[in-house]
Amino acid sequence: DQQVKQNSPSLSVQEGRISILNCDYTNSMFDYFLWYKKYPAEGPTFLISISSIKDKNEDGRFTVFLNKSAKHLSLHIVPSQPGDSAVYFCAATGLDTDKLIFGTGTRLQVFP
Amino acid sequence: DTGVSQDPRHKITKRGQNVTFRCDPISEHNRLYWYRQTLGQGPEFLTYFQNEAQLEKSRLLSDRFSAERPKGSFSTLEIQRTEQGDSAMYLCASSLDGVDYTFGSGTRLTVV
Repeated sequence: DQQVKQNSPSLSVQEGRISILNCDYTNSMFDYFLWYKKYPAEGPTFLISISSIKDKNEDGRFTVFLNKSAKHLSLHIVPSQPGDSAVYFCAATGLDTDKLIFGTGTRLQVFP
Repeated sequence: DTGVSQDPRHKITKRGQNVTFRCDPISEHNRLYWYRQTLGQGPEFLTYFQNEAQLEKSRLLSDRFSAERPKGSFSTLEIQRTEQGDSAMYLCASSLDGVDYTFGSGTRLTVV
């Protein structure tokens, strides 16, 4: 079963506008969530994370929001830049494990 | 330290052959992970080590797969009697006690 879901396989946004990438999870034992960015032929690069004790974490242009009751998190990128074009993966982990469970990714394209 | 290093970057092999991949983690990281990523999917956990001890293995890791980390530094992942379904990107990551989880660039395996 897919414990971490990214239901939008792709997203296209104009440069300067906001990009919103969504992620849903099913396992209530998850307590730490991460977003990774991936370019072709490279490994995933860590972007931002959030602990379940928080509902928001911000780092520059990137903000992650966590809604525990809805088991939903989102990544906001503002303003979006062409260099942000990549595949974004949401991942989750829990207290009882060290492994990351990834979603299937969302391909973001930022056009001029 | 240049991060997590994986070798080779690409491997093409004939079905039935054995292949071995190497991963050199960030030197101070005590945990090392192997993931596999196929087209259109997120990375899937295979196994992880804390120092030289292999602590968890996924059901994805059939008996044709074996991983070692003999001295708690670099790790190898061997696939015996490769099948076309083994074609994927094999990703290695390392962390210090689960923090600063960093991925390598991966080894792309093509079984023909």
